[in-house]
Amino acid sequence: GAGVSQSPSNKVTEKGKDVELRCDPISGHTALYWYRQSLGQGLEFLIYFQGNSAPDKSGLPSDRFSAERTGGSVSTLTIQRTQQEDSAVYLCASNHLAGPEQFFGPGTRLTVL
Amino acid sequence: SQQGEEDPQALSIQEGENATMNCSYKTSINNLQWYRQNSGRGLVHLILIRSNEREKHSGRLRVTLDTSKKSSSLLITASRAADTASYFCAGRSSGNTPLVFGKGTRLSVIA
Repeated sequence: GAGVSQSPSNKVTEKGKDVELRCDPISGHTALYWYRQSLGQGLEFLIYFQGNSAPDKSGLPSDRFSAERTGGSVSTLTIQRTQQEDSAVYLCASNHLAGPEQFFGPGTRLTVL
Repeated sequence: SQQGEEDPQALSIQEGENATMNCSYKTSINNLQWYRQNSGRGLVHLILIRSNEREKHSGRLRVTLDTSKKSSSLLITASRAADTASYFCAGRSSGNTPLVFGKGTRLSVIA
């Protein structure tokens, strides 16, 4: 596709449930990032994939958060046993190895009731 | 942790005026980027300035970088109502490392 896509665009869940958020990066982009943005705040880095290297998970806030990237393309961010403080917009971005600019998807707005 | 602090947090101006937003950052960077966000969703890259550059222009945008003060500014000239958005600075230490964002400036341009 022409840009980074994310699904779903909105997700409402109950506290304690698991959720999966999907990101399709731009074709050919080797680097993929997940960020989280709470209301009125800047973006908080969560996890970063670069090619076949082990992901940088240093931003994940707890062991309830995990992410995979299959075949160097699509990524899934999983949040287990969701809590109300997990409510935020989750943004995915990708960039080509040769370029510093990141291309962002439209985000998934997660609401945990 | 957040790299940058934007100043002001919110800015309201009349259409046609210039808007200046400032950003200070904490650690060494390889480049600093400015992004725009409409309605709390996806970010759009505006302009990048490398650590060895002092000023850069793109259309109505002018960005400056002072590495000695660890600060940057974004100037939008002749603002339009369509410029209403949140603006974020983000620093990158090297290569493809993750961007570290500030909290952003909410700009409102009144027609």
